[in-house]
Amino acid sequence: EAGVTQSPTHLIKTRGQQVTLRCSPISGHTSVYWYQQALGLGLQFLLWYDEGEERNRGNFPPRFSGRQFPNYSSELNVNALELEDSALYLCASSFSNEQFFGPGTRLTVL
Amino acid sequence: AQSVTQLGSHVSVSEGALVLLRCNYSSSVPPYLFWYVQYPNQGLQLLLKYTSAATLVKGINGFEAEFKKSETSFHLTKPSAHMSDAAEYFCAATGTASKLTFGTGTRLQVTL
Repeated sequence: EAGVTQSPTHLIKTRGQQVTLRCSPISGHTSVYWYQQALGLGLQFLLWYDEGEERNRGNFPPRFSGRQFPNYSSELNVNALELEDSALYLCASSFSNEQFFGPGTRLTVL
Repeated sequence: AQSVTQLGSHVSVSEGALVLLRCNYSSSVPPYLFWYVQYPNQGLQLLLKYTSAATLVKGINGFEAEFKKSETSFHLTKPSAHMSDAAEYFCAATGTASKLTFGTGTRLQVTL
């Protein structure tokens, strides 16, 4: 069974640019979660999608947004990038209260 | 609001020694509790989970954790450390909102 996949693996952007990160959940999982792991800030919950709807949102500004597609894959969009957005962005899909994580996308903002 | 506290951001043990990583949670209702491991430049791998069945939970790679409601603790242990156990370990809890709340992580160093 294929695990959670994320693309791209690494990304370098400059301040003010926009970025889109992608996540494909494990087959059969309908929930997707996004987390940010920034240096010194630990793992912070960003967004939760289930059945195509945004169900919960962490304490992040509106320039962090996303969506979930009918095939349950998901995108995370970050607009007007700031230096502090540099982080590892992790996606997880969920089954029975257990979250399975992808390898992450490392975003560097210069 | 739920919170998870991991005591000790860095723990060093000798190979073959007992590993003990501490985790306390704060919740009015016992949540689901998890331990994840993260190797450098990788995502999170689930070690074990507590979902209100047995209080002693056995996981992968010889790790186990005991849920103690009276102490609001879920400490992770392994009888004998191996060099390959060197990684960062995260305790996490989830409640009705489904999102995971993570502790700040404990980096485990294993020395010869």
